[in-house]
Amino acid sequence: KNQVEQSPQSLIILEGKNCTLQCNYTVSPFSNLRWYKQDTGRGPVSLTIMTFSENTKSNGRYTATLDADTKQSSLHITASQLSDSASYICVVGGSGGSYIPTFGRGTSLIVHP
Amino acid sequence: DGGITQSPKYLFRKEGQNVTLSCEQNLNHDAMYWYRQDPGQGLRLIYYSQIVNDFQKGDIAEGYSVSREKKESFPLTVTSAQKNPTAFYLCASSILSSGSYNEQFFGPGTRLTVL
Repeated sequence: KNQVEQSPQSLIILEGKNCTLQCNYTVSPFSNLRWYKQDTGRGPVSLTIMTFSENTKSNGRYTATLDADTKQSSLHITASQLSDSASYICVVGGSGGSYIPTFGRGTSLIVHP
Repeated sequence: DGGITQSPKYLFRKEGQNVTLSCEQNLNHDAMYWYRQDPGQGLRLIYYSQIVNDFQKGDIAEGYSVSREKKESFPLTVTSAQKNPTAFYLCASSILSSGSYNEQFFGPGTRLTVL
């Protein structure tokens, strides 16, 4: 069964600090992996996409990594801001006919001033 | 101004009532999806559609129904058979390419509360 596990479930950090969120998956065959940011009470928005051949991708202060061998991804947030407070969701897509992705439960990040 | 919209933002339902949540997109996407989100849980797929007049059940379709009469519209009806409908409902759309997952664009959501 395809699964996506995220850790930690929640995280509280001080403004200006860095943090790293983890995502482990068992989706096979693998197509790509996306990180979404979901503000409270709103729909998720895509931050980055990682394909099989990519190891690192940055989007401003967000940097995603992918290790396809160990089936792990991380999202690193640098110099956190109050606006980073949100849920971060890891979503993995399979290949070979299915375009329905598998969602993780998300990591809830709270940034305190 | 392209995007995906949902209405209403908040919806209250009495037990035994059917209610319909609206989802409209002007992104010219073929695929549309409905998800349910409960606190502490990930998004769970209710229904999805690849083409007009065709749709498939997701993981938690019981108590829900959909229609896809137009490419732009994918309304979701929460029926009285859904025993625990209080949740945050998200609609999404994406392009469709064979055998891969494409970025989903999400609407702002509808929060449904049963009184």
